[in-house]
Amino acid sequence: AQTVTQSQPEMSVQEAETVTLSCTYDTSENNYYLFWYKQPPSRQMILVIRQEAYKQQNATENRFSVNFQKAAKSFSLKISDSQLGDTAMYFCASHSGTYKYIFGTGTRLKVLA
Amino acid sequence: EAGVAQSPRYKIIEKRQSVAFWCNPISGHATLYWYQQILGQGPKLLIQFQNNGVVDDSQLPKDRFSAERLKGVDSTLKIQPAKLEDSAVYLCASSLRRAWGNTIYFGEGSWLTVV
Repeated sequence: AQTVTQSQPEMSVQEAETVTLSCTYDTSENNYYLFWYKQPPSRQMILVIRQEAYKQQNATENRFSVNFQKAAKSFSLKISDSQLGDTAMYFCASHSGTYKYIFGTGTRLKVLA
Repeated sequence: EAGVAQSPRYKIIEKRQSVAFWCNPISGHATLYWYQQILGQGPKLLIQFQNNGVVDDSQLPKDRFSAERLKGVDSTLKIQPAKLEDSAVYLCASSLRRAWGNTIYFGEGSWLTVV
């Protein structure tokens, strides 16, 4: 069975600083995709970044990057130069051959001015 | 490009009443999902459609929940009778096709409170 675990329920970071959100997963599939989604307060969930498991290079999208450690089944999200608009719930998710997305319980990130 | 539309945004009902949520996916998206998100938890898949056929409803409480996607476009999720534990946000999402690693696009959600 697929599982996704986010062990940090809440985090905070000062504006312009860097923060890392943790995610671990478990899957029996050889190939899969991993995602980070952002859910701002009372707004819709949007994709932040995605990583294909067979690619060793870590994905990067502007201020967002991941640290993908396949052997350790770890997929952390780094946000550089944090902005007030980054305040949101962040969900880690996996997607594999069953075509089912499995989401973690989320990390609530608050960016402080 | 219009996003995933959902209505109503907010609904308060008494237990044992019924409620229906409507979703219009992004144009051309073949795959449609309904998720339940209880406060403080991640989204849980209730049902997944490919065009107008169900491909996964393993976590749908079929004694009280039903969903349909007529003509492979709009979808309706119904709860009857509602229980207190059904209080949650019901998220509709869509993707272009049922393919590996596809990005899914979410609507703003329908917030249900059962009192």
